[in-house]
Amino acid sequence: GAGVSQSPSNKVTEKGKDVELRCDPISGHTALYWYRQRLGQGLEFLIYFQGNSAPDKSGLPSDRFSAERTGESVSTLTIQRTQQEDSAVYLCASSFILGGATSTDTQYFGPGTRLTVL
Amino acid sequence: KNEVEQSPQNLTAQEGEFITINCSYSVGISALHWLQQHPGGGIVSLFMLSSGKKKHGRLIATINIQEKHSSLHITASHPRDSAVYICAVPPNYNTDKLIFGTGTRLQVFP
Repeated sequence: GAGVSQSPSNKVTEKGKDVELRCDPISGHTALYWYRQRLGQGLEFLIYFQGNSAPDKSGLPSDRFSAERTGESVSTLTIQRTQQEDSAVYLCASSFILGGATSTDTQYFGPGTRLTVL
Repeated sequence: KNEVEQSPQNLTAQEGEFITINCSYSVGISALHWLQQHPGGGIVSLFMLSSGKKKHGRLIATINIQEKHSSLHITASHPRDSAVYICAVPPNYNTDKLIFGTGTRLQVFP
């Protein structure tokens, strides 16, 4: 079956513009995660969804960042008024929820969206 | 102090060598993840474990919950194992958020 897909694969934008990044999780996966990886740095958690709700938004760097998930499938991460420090690879992952708050299964990662803010 | 620490940061090996990568964490966790990031950037989940040991092919992961330590072993290493290996844990029992170690960059030479 299809894996996690993300679009676009690359996005170049000018400082101050808004961008939308899309994630299509594996069908049937109710948990969805967004991460960021800046050049040469480690992975940072941004937000995750259980179904359509986001129990933990603590990783969002500022109020310019927001995420939505509709229909327990597609999610969009929106960055408003982009800044150069937003340049990074944005990764999405999905997994099953086995039950309970901390019983998710293995996370499957998408290929990422490389965002460059000029 | 980072909540998740990996060692070594960089590792080089000759093909065929046995590799060990270590991960120590300071938080209470429900499960620990080992991930592999290929040179092209793609990330693959290798293991998720909450106790004992798991094996998949030439990869073995162990965890000691009492000591808050996990190891990833690669037997008979091969150049295609060259990648960054990352361990990740939830910061507490009430979330599925993950915090990540800084990764161990492994290069295996023929």
